[in-house]
Amino acid sequence: SQTIHQWPATLVQPVGSPLSLECTVEGTSNPNLYWYRQAAGRGLQLLFYSVGIGQISSEVPQNLSASRPQDRQFILSSKKLLLSDSGFYLCAWSGKIRSSYEQYFGPGTRLTVT
Amino acid sequence: ILNVEQSPQSLHVQEGDSTNFTCSFPSSNFYALHWYRWETAKSPEALFVMTLNGDEKKKGRISATLNTKEGYSYLYIKGSQPEDSATYLCAFPDSGYSTLTFGKGTMLLVSP
Repeated sequence: SQTIHQWPATLVQPVGSPLSLECTVEGTSNPNLYWYRQAAGRGLQLLFYSVGIGQISSEVPQNLSASRPQDRQFILSSKKLLLSDSGFYLCAWSGKIRSSYEQYFGPGTRLTVT
Repeated sequence: ILNVEQSPQSLHVQEGDSTNFTCSFPSSNFYALHWYRWETAKSPEALFVMTLNGDEKKKGRISATLNTKEGYSYLYIKGSQPEDSATYLCAFPDSGYSTLTFGKGTMLLVSP
């Protein structure tokens, strides 16, 4: 069966510090991968998605970036965090066959920028 | 940008009450509609994927209906229980089915 891991679970970082959140998927190959953020009082916002190694699509302009160095690894980064980067970050994966386009979410990372 | 709207934003019911919420989405170029359940401190969990107009799906006390012609889906919970307390999200795929656009969700609180 497939599992998705995210770490860390919680993170408190000062403004201006770098960020690296990691997501890995097990039990499937060549998945679509996604990074979402839920900011306080807001809905689930898609930040990045990837259909393959090295292929990243950005949905919103921001000071975050994403990379996919391996098939089942997706990394969310920032060189300098802003207060507005605080939120709950979720990684998700889906298959590529239309009937399996359900997205499956990881446990999430709660990021607080102070 | 796809417009996926959910109402109400929040709902507070008593244990045993039945309730329902609405998701509205673009009625043109329909592909599918997803419903998710998101409990606090957990990750969103898939409930239903609905693809056909008139579709009705059921999982225990939770069911959903779909009207693709008018662009809405209803989620029903029969005899709500405190463990049903969660945010219920609907999501609509883009034309390439690469991404899902989520509504802001309906936050349900069921009091014992």
